[in-house]
Amino acid sequence: DGGITQSPKYLFRKEGQNVTLSCEQNLNHDAMYWYRQDPGQGLRLIYYSQIVNDFQKGDIAEGYSVSREKKESFPLTVTSAQKNPTAFYLCASSMDRDTEAFFGQGTRLTVV
Amino acid sequence: AQTVTQSQPEMSVQEAETVTLSCTYDTSESNYYLFWYKQPPSRQMILVIRQEAYKQQNATENRFSVNFQKAAKSFSLKISDSQLGDTAMYFCAFLRSNFGNEKLTFGTGTRLTIIP
Repeated sequence: DGGITQSPKYLFRKEGQNVTLSCEQNLNHDAMYWYRQDPGQGLRLIYYSQIVNDFQKGDIAEGYSVSREKKESFPLTVTSAQKNPTAFYLCASSMDRDTEAFFGQGTRLTVV
Repeated sequence: AQTVTQSQPEMSVQEAETVTLSCTYDTSESNYYLFWYKQPPSRQMILVIRQEAYKQQNATENRFSVNFQKAAKSFSLKISDSQLGDTAMYFCAFLRSNFGNEKLTFGTGTRLTIIP
């Protein structure tokens, strides 16, 4: 079945450590996105990529980094520079810029 | 910048009843898309329905329909014959045409509970 797979579902890390969240899609979509979701807020865009080997900062990119070496994969690294990393992270993809986005099941990151 | 407002943080309705979720948006654009996404307890965002602004006809997907009022900048979602599986957070989202999904703007969501 085609879809977007995020792993792991739950992730715990100590403060000061970098952590990488995985996002893989087999939909042959060109565009991929990372969002952060906090209670009481809508989704906020962290990074996006329209094509392999290219990505752009979203609204809240500070403290995060990404790579897009393969069309199928768009991992997100939460660095120690991110002041408040505990959140729910959603990865999405779309066929192109103007078609609807499809989402993965998310990763809940807790930093202790 | 575009804004999306969902003024109902929480709603509840009896199973089999009809419920309407409100969404208003602010934009100066004439070409855009509007979406309703559902986020059940599993937390995966699922596209429920999509509306193109240039279409006057309201979109419908089975039990889900919208009331799109372009002049009023209103985009409400009606769920008919509500089912327990409809319990979820519902997000309204706005996308400017030709600007890419990186410009997808979400509301803060409405938590809908279907009561047995």
